[in-house]
Amino acid sequence: QSALTQPPSASGSPGQSVTISCTGTSSDVGGYNYVSWYQQHPGKAPKLMIYEVTKRPSGVPDRFSGSKSGNTASLTVSGLQAEDEADYYCSSYAGSNWVFGGGTKLAVL
Amino acid sequence: QVQLQESGPGLVKPSGTLSLTCAVSGDSISSSYWWSWVRQPPGRGLEWIGEIYPGGSPNYNPSLKSRVTMSVDKSNNQFSLKLASATAADTAIYYCAKDSGYRTEDWGQGILVTVSP
Repeated sequence: QSALTQPPSASGSPGQSVTISCTGTSSDVGGYNYVSWYQQHPGKAPKLMIYEVTKRPSGVPDRFSGSKSGNTASLTVSGLQAEDEADYYCSSYAGSNWVFGGGTKLAVL
Repeated sequence: QVQLQESGPGLVKPSGTLSLTCAVSGDSISSSYWWSWVRQPPGRGLEWIGEIYPGGSPNYNPSLKSRVTMSVDKSNNQFSLKLASATAADTAIYYCAKDSGYRTEDWGQGILVTVSP
């Protein structure tokens, strides 16, 4: 299995929106509606932000939203805030196993 | 709220076996969830190692399958990871986690394991 493809970096100013893509194949992203997004601050464990493509766990701000089209999933962060600066990883079910993306470093300028 | 805590040696010799345990509190290891391991080499991305369902067959990352063994210890409410023939490439922070349906919402704090002579 190959890692999902994410852009290494993304950035935006406070209040703006930014979208991070996650490209896989029909064997993972395109084949299942089980894409998750994780936020990771330095030295911390990953935090689930989106699951099953579009769902938000309790406590996650509605500024975070997910979508999918074909083999590409996306995470959109609206109304950027300083605390959103972190690494973001997508993950997809791939039939009896899971695969992560390489991660995207989001900078809030 | 479930809590997970990794433990094990922080230093493993090359060709040795990396062994870690994840203690679960606030939930029963026998509940209907998958329990997983994820690792992260220093400064790099996350890699899924595998998952285990109590009473079922584990699923492993195909790239690690030949070296990985996961098990569940119901009496101590914990699960374990063994990674054989360790090399420097296995140096990473290892996280244990609970999979609630098709999502991983609960994570341990992680433990750094270094493979070095």
